[in-house]
This record gives sequence, structure tokens and C-alpha cells, in this order.
Amino acid sequence: EVQLVESGGGLVQPGGSLRLSCAASGFTFSSYWMNWIRQAPGKGLEWVANIKQDGSEKYYVESVKGRFTISRDNAKNSLFLQMNSVRAEDTAVYYCAREGFGASPDYWGPGTLVTVSS
Amino acid sequence: IVLTQSPATLSLSPGERATLSCRASQSVSTFFAWFQQKPGQAPRLLIFDASKRAAGIPARFSGSGSGTDFSLTISSLEPEDFAVYYCQQRSNWPPEYTFGQGTKLEIK
Repeated sequence: EVQLVESGGGLVQPGGSLRLSCAASGFTFSSYWMNWIRQAPGKGLEWVANIKQDGSEKYYVESVKGRFTISRDNAKNSLFLQMNSVRAEDTAVYYCAREGFGASPDYWGPGTLVTVSS
Repeated sequence: IVLTQSPATLSLSPGERATLSCRASQSVSTFFAWFQQKPGQAPRLLIFDASKRAAGIPARFSGSGSGTDFSLTISSLEPEDFAVYYCQQRSNWPPEYTFGQGTKLEIK
């Protein structure tokens, strides 16, 4: 059974840093593109970043470029999102999602809430 | 690419047919999908490649369209179908995702 479980969310002050993790199981992690997708409270879905199977390619939504870094450890079946210089508008539930058939996110974790507030 | 979903809210009764629309600001690749999201849950993939049902998705869900106009049809609404639906596309290059703003399907 495919499972994705995020962790690392919490309350962080504006300008601070946070590192999110996603533990993957039930599939060959190193064979898939992986994504971070977020959802602000009461709002829609926003793609944040993705990373190629071997980590050689990474892409970001414009609003997080230069502040967030996506990475992965295939030996530990783990995906990460390093969030620096966070802003109030980064407050959201952050989902880890696998890119499956049709280049669509076919499996999602339950999400982890990040709240940016002083 | 901007995805615009309509209507924002759709009020229907169980047993009725629902048609949700998604229009892209420019022609998109075949990487087009629909998701269902219920309160407090992660989104669930319903349709990928515009018209292919994901594993375990009931046959009452169908997707169609190409280019800039796409639709999701639920042939006969079940009580568990009332939720928010999102369309999504992935561009060929760079491989970035875009989501529509969502359509809330509510019980009339």
C-alpha cells in the first residue's frame, strides 16, 4: 500500500525557517517525481515544487523561488522541503504527493499544517 | 497557464447529473486531471490524461475535453459525491502544475 506521511509543520515566526519531511512507503520511491502542494486555510490548491527521480531537476512556483528548497533522500525514501524567510502567506497545509500516470499527483499524504505568525 | 473552473458552486440533488467545466488560458498538454476533496481530507485523483479514470474510481465519473476546454461529468450523484472538485494540468516544460480554483458541489 502506497503511503506518504508528512511531518515538521508547526508555528513559525515571519522570517524564520522550517523543514518539512515526507516519509514514503509501499512503492519504489526512487522511480517517481515527487511534489509539494499547499492549501491555505479555506483556499484552493497551489503547487509549490517538484523534484526529479534522481534529484537532478527541481522546479518551484515563482512565489517561493530563492526561499524554499526541495530535496530527497532515495536511500531513506524521504522527501524534504526547506522553508526559509517564511511569510504570513506561506501559512497552509503542505501535502507531499507522488506524480503517477499522466503526470498527475496520484497519491497524497494527509498534510502538515504550517502557520506563520508572530 | 490559468485554469478557470465553472460554476464556482453547483447545487444539485442526489440522482441528478453534474457537469463541471474547466477552461485553460491556452492549449494544454494531455496531462490534465480532476480531483475530489472532502473537508479535512487530502485531494483524491479521479481522472488523469483528461479522460482516464484512476484506480478504484466509480464509472459514474467521466472526463472529456482537449486543448482549452475540459469537463468532468458525474452521471448520477451519490450522497458521497458532494465535495469540492479541482482541475489540474502539468505543462510539458517546465514541468509545473497549475490548479483551477475549484467547484463546490453542494446538496440542493
